[in-house]
Parts: sequence; C-alpha cells; structure tokens
Amino acid sequence: AQTVTQSQPEMSVQEAETVTLSCTYDTSESDYYLFWYKQPPSRQMILVIRQEAYKQQNATENRFSVNFQKAAKSFSLKISDSQLGDAAMYFCAYRRGETSGSRLTFGEGTQLTVNP
Amino acid sequence: NAGVTQTPKFRILKIGQSMTLQCAQDMNHNYMYWYRQDPGMGLKLIYYSVGAGITDKGEVPNGYNVSRSTTEDFPLRLELAAPSQTSVYFCASRRGGPKGNEQFFGPGTRLTVL
Repeated sequence: AQTVTQSQPEMSVQEAETVTLSCTYDTSESDYYLFWYKQPPSRQMILVIRQEAYKQQNATENRFSVNFQKAAKSFSLKISDSQLGDAAMYFCAYRRGETSGSRLTFGEGTQLTVNP
Repeated sequence: NAGVTQTPKFRILKIGQSMTLQCAQDMNHNYMYWYRQDPGMGLKLIYYSVGAGITDKGEVPNGYNVSRSTTEDFPLRLELAAPSQTSVYFCASRRGGPKGNEQFFGPGTRLTVL
C-alpha cells in the first residue's frame, strides 16, 4: 500500500520569507501523481500544485514550487515571499495513475504559521 | 457551476441514530469520493465510485454505506452512529481521463456523535 509521510507537524515563517515543507512517499508504481493541498481554517481543500511522476521538470505555480526527487521518493513544497494568507494546514497527497478509481492518499499534514 | 455541494454543514447525532450525508456535483464527473478527516489528521478514503451504479470500499468503510444511482449524486449513509464517527466528512469528484487529475472538494460536513 502507498504511504505518504509529512515529518513536520508544524512550521513557521516570517512574512516575505521562504519556507519548505517536506513530504516523502512510498510506492512501487511507476505511473502516479503528487499533489499539495492547502486547507485554511474554512476547511476548504484547495489544490496548490501537482506533479506528474513522468515529468522530470519540477512544477511551479507563481510563488509555489516543488522539489521532486523521484529516486528518493521526496516531494517538498517551497513557498516564496510568504504571505499572511498562506497560513493553513498543508497536505501532501499521492495518487496512482488511471486505475482503481485513482483515489488520493494523504499525509498527516503540516500546520504553517506566517508571522507578520 | 456550483461545483461539489454537501449538506448539511453541521449535524449532531445521538449514538445509534442514522443519517445520510448528501453530496452532489454539477460538473459531469465520473469519479466521486467520500473522505473523513479526524482532528489534526489527513483525509482517509471511506468509499468511492467510478461511475453511476459502481461503488467500492476505501480504507475505512466500516459503519458506512453508499449508493450512486446518478452521475450527479453520491450520498453517504451512516446506519448506527457511533462516537468514533465524529469527524469532518468531505465529498470530492474528478473527471477522469489523462487530463482529469484534479479532485474538487466540497466544503465538508462536521458530524458529532454524542
């Protein structure tokens, strides 16, 4: 079974600084996708960024980027120029390719605090 | 599009009561999912469906049932509520296919069983 591990229950960053959230996963599959979701206090799950395993290039979305190390099974999220609105719980998630419903497996989450 | 909608937003149940959590999507997505999120934890899959008439168990299906009679609706049934089912429940949907990667989540239902 696939597992996703987030080893940092809590992180904090100063406004305008950069922070990196860690995620590792375990799988024997070759076709899969990785995601970072943000969950603010409203509880809404918001997709931040996704990475296809077959792509070597790291995904970027504005201030958010990932460091995808396939051999090491590592998928970290970097937030640059942190803003107060970035404060939230962040979940790393894994999904197999287009088989068996392709459901998401989530990590335990990292609570990010942004200090003014 | 309204996206994924869930009702109710909050509910308190007594032990042994039953209820149905409603979920609907208007995006014509084939795949639908039910997750639960316990306090301070990630989401765990309860049941999922790959299309109308097809459902399957996820990681934590005990105590729940689902049905998928239409593409739009995917209700989750709790037959005999237990305190261990106190959680926030999320419904999600996905289009499927090579470009249908993103799961869209509903706003969640907070359920307390006393």
